[in-house]
Amino acid sequence: QKEVEQDPGPLSVPEGAIVSLNCTYSNSAFQYFMWYRQYSRKGPELLMYTYSSGNKEDGRFTAQVDKSSKYISLFIRDSQPSDSATYLCAMSLTGNQFYFGTGTSLTVIP
Amino acid sequence: GAVVSQHPSWVICKSGTSVKIECRSLDFQATTMFWYRQFPKQSLMLMATSNEGSKATYEQGVEKDKFLINHASLTLSTLTVTSAHPEDSSFYICSASKGQGAQPQHFGDGTRLSIL
Repeated sequence: QKEVEQDPGPLSVPEGAIVSLNCTYSNSAFQYFMWYRQYSRKGPELLMYTYSSGNKEDGRFTAQVDKSSKYISLFIRDSQPSDSATYLCAMSLTGNQFYFGTGTSLTVIP
Repeated sequence: GAVVSQHPSWVICKSGTSVKIECRSLDFQATTMFWYRQFPKQSLMLMATSNEGSKATYEQGVEKDKFLINHASLTLSTLTVTSAHPEDSSFYICSASKGQGAQPQHFGDGTRLSIL
């Protein structure tokens, strides 16, 4: 079983839609959770960084962590064509070793 | 900010040559740097973790004599692909973490390596 599971998509939504991206994980000891956005031929860009359970909001982005279900989500409100990218989740026990999902490809159609 | 610069962004070279890729943290000191390899439409594959002044820790299956990593300062790590062959063609990405303890990784923009 993989440490982190992420649906690769592709996911295609109309502009303005709310996007929900998800990852599940197997290790209940993970404490640090991250979401990265990666444009084609570029390195991943950190979007959200959360510790333990709960929600964190930054502009149009909201990250949720449900440790009881071992499930994390990233919501994008009012999605824009510029949000079209691959989104990677990542998590860590101690902050020194990171486990990445395979990424979800998102296309926002104008 | 947390800016990581990677150079070169794209390199093409003949089989048998060695290629050096640089990774620099521009506005912070990076005690730990990571090197990844990414195949098309796949996630990041960790190759090695390096701490400043120490030998790199390589992941299982990664040849340390082929992929030489040097982390000589708190702002610079290099990956040298020695005697590169076409199967080494890939997208190589570095990342860096600030300070000690739990810190997110900040990534460079990657290097596309093509071996002819």
